[in-house]
Amino acid sequence: GAGVSQSPSNKVTEKGKDVELRCDPISGHTALYWYRQSLGQGLEFLIYFQGNSAPDKSGLPSDRFSAERTGGSVSTLTIQRTQQEDSAVYLCASSLSQGDYEQYFGPGTRLTVT
Amino acid sequence: EDQVTQSPEALRLQEGESSSLNCSYTVSGLRGLFWYRQDPGKGPEFLFTLYSAGEEKEKERLKATLTKKESFLHITAPKPEDSATYLCAVERGSYIPTFGRGTSLIVHP
Repeated sequence: GAGVSQSPSNKVTEKGKDVELRCDPISGHTALYWYRQSLGQGLEFLIYFQGNSAPDKSGLPSDRFSAERTGGSVSTLTIQRTQQEDSAVYLCASSLSQGDYEQYFGPGTRLTVT
Repeated sequence: EDQVTQSPEALRLQEGESSSLNCSYTVSGLRGLFWYRQDPGKGPEFLFTLYSAGEEKEKERLKATLTKKESFLHITAPKPEDSATYLCAVERGSYIPTFGRGTSLIVHP
């Protein structure tokens, strides 16, 4: 079966522009996680969804970041007014349910803000 | 605040030279500790979940163990294809994992 897919794979944007990153989880997985990985850093938790609900948004770095999930499937992470410090690889993962740490990761979106 | 420290940051081994990676953690009420493998340019791949001190899990040349303060990932007779970054993470019941920075392993043929 298909794994987790993310698009675009690479995104270069100018400082101040908005970007949308998309994650398509494995069918039937109710939990979906967003992480950010900067060079030489570990994975930084951003937000997770159980179904369409986001029980904890505390990992979002600022109010410029938002995410939504519709139909218990596809999720979009939006970054408004991008800054250079937003440059990183954004990873999405899904699992059967929250608390199931056999998470399946997508290949990531590499975001570069110039 | 939960903390996860992985050591060493980088490790070079010859093929067949066994070694261990360390993950030390500070977390109140550990629910689980997780190991992932990450190849360059790819997302992490799940390896193991450990839930209580004394627990051990094995997969091919890898064996993960857990104590109350740390976890070890033992690699027996590694092969070049074991080269990757190995990530450790902990979670205390909030469904939010805290990851370490990883150990970059290179196995030379």
